[in-house]
Amino acid sequence: QKEVEQDPGPLSVPEGAIVSLNCTYSNSAFQYFMWYRQYSRKGPELLMYTYSSGNKEDGRFTAQVDKSSKYISLFIRDSQPSDSATYLCAMTLGAGGTSYGKLTFGQGTILTVHP
Amino acid sequence: NAGVMQNPRHLVRRRGQEARLRCSPMKGHSHVYWYRQLPEEGLKFMVYLQKENIIDESGMPKERFSAEFPKEGPSILRIQQVVRGDSAAYFCASSPLRIGELFFGEGSRLTVL
Repeated sequence: QKEVEQDPGPLSVPEGAIVSLNCTYSNSAFQYFMWYRQYSRKGPELLMYTYSSGNKEDGRFTAQVDKSSKYISLFIRDSQPSDSATYLCAMTLGAGGTSYGKLTFGQGTILTVHP
Repeated sequence: NAGVMQNPRHLVRRRGQEARLRCSPMKGHSHVYWYRQLPEEGLKFMVYLQKENIIDESGMPKERFSAEFPKEGPSILRIQQVVRGDSAAYFCASSPLRIGELFFGEGSRLTVL
């Protein structure tokens, strides 16, 4: 079993739809949770990061973390064609030692938003 | 401020040759990470370096792979005697702090014939 599970999709939605992306994980020691967006042939860029459980909102994006269920989500409201990309969840053990930048990624979900 | 620069962007090697991938972190960043992205898989951590030091190489294959981040110049990921299974995208990320956002480069895509 992978430490982080993410449905690879692909997911295709019409412009303006609400998109829900999810990851589950098995290691309860993960403390920091991130979502990255990766356009084709490009490097990942950080979209959102949250610490521990709770919600975080940034414009059209909302990240949710439920540590009790080991489940994280990213919601995209009013999706746009420019949101078409691969979305990667990532998590890390914490700030102690050398572990913060050692991210464990999900496989990524390919999202297409069509006009 | 230029982003993380990786070169070459594309590299083709025959089995048994050596591959050298270079990464220049963002200005002021002294923490460098290498990740590998295999087809149909997510990014996998390989190694974490600070200037002149390997901090965590727990994700590096035990043989043929090495990394360095010298006092002057870019970080280098070196793969000796490449095999077809080494074909992947290799991403470098840098951070200004031990605890801070990772900024990724655009990757170096290695193809082994």
